[in-house]
Amino acid sequence: DGGITQSPKYLFRKEGQNVTLSCEQNLNHDAMYWYRQDPGQGLRLIYYSQIVNDFQKGDIAEGYSVSREKKESFPLTVTSAQKNPTAFYLCASRGPREAGELFFGEGSRLTVL
Amino acid sequence: AQSVTQLDSQVPVFEEAPVELRCNYSSSVSVYLFWYVQYPNQGLQLLLKYLSGSTLVKGINGFEAEFNKSQTSFHLRKPSVHISDTAEYFCAVTLDGTSYGKLTFGQGTILTVHP
Repeated sequence: DGGITQSPKYLFRKEGQNVTLSCEQNLNHDAMYWYRQDPGQGLRLIYYSQIVNDFQKGDIAEGYSVSREKKESFPLTVTSAQKNPTAFYLCASRGPREAGELFFGEGSRLTVL
Repeated sequence: AQSVTQLDSQVPVFEEAPVELRCNYSSSVSVYLFWYVQYPNQGLQLLLKYLSGSTLVKGINGFEAEFNKSQTSFHLRKPSVHISDTAEYFCAVTLDGTSYGKLTFGQGTILTVHP
């Protein structure tokens, strides 16, 4: 079945460590997104990419980095510069004709110890 | 810039009762509107969307929403809820045709259905 796969589902990291969250899609979608979810705050956009080898900062990009070397893949690195990285991270993709509708992965929960 | 306000952070309701989850948005231009549902520790799933046309939109699982341009609202309703409807619901907005899927989400409403 087509969809979005995020891994790992749960991740623990020590302060000062970088960590990379994987996002893979087989929907043949051009656009991909990373959102951060915190309780009571909804979802906030970190980075998005409309096409391979191109990406833009969202509303809360500081302390994060991304790459888009393949259409299917959009990994997110949470760097040590992110002051409060503990959160639920959601990857999404959007097809060309769905008028903004996003398809989400199952999410990755990052906890900084 | 657009914004979304979900007026209730938590809504408790008994099984088979009706429910309304309220959403107001702010935008100076035309928008597309969405409702998503999230079950615990999962991603979001689209319930319904308003793009244009009829202001009453029907979605999955018996949910519907009504777009009210004058009141800038997009409230979600269900006439009779089930235990399985317990989840968090998000209202979202994007500028029509220009924002490449950059949705702005509300804070979420946790719906809890009691037996």
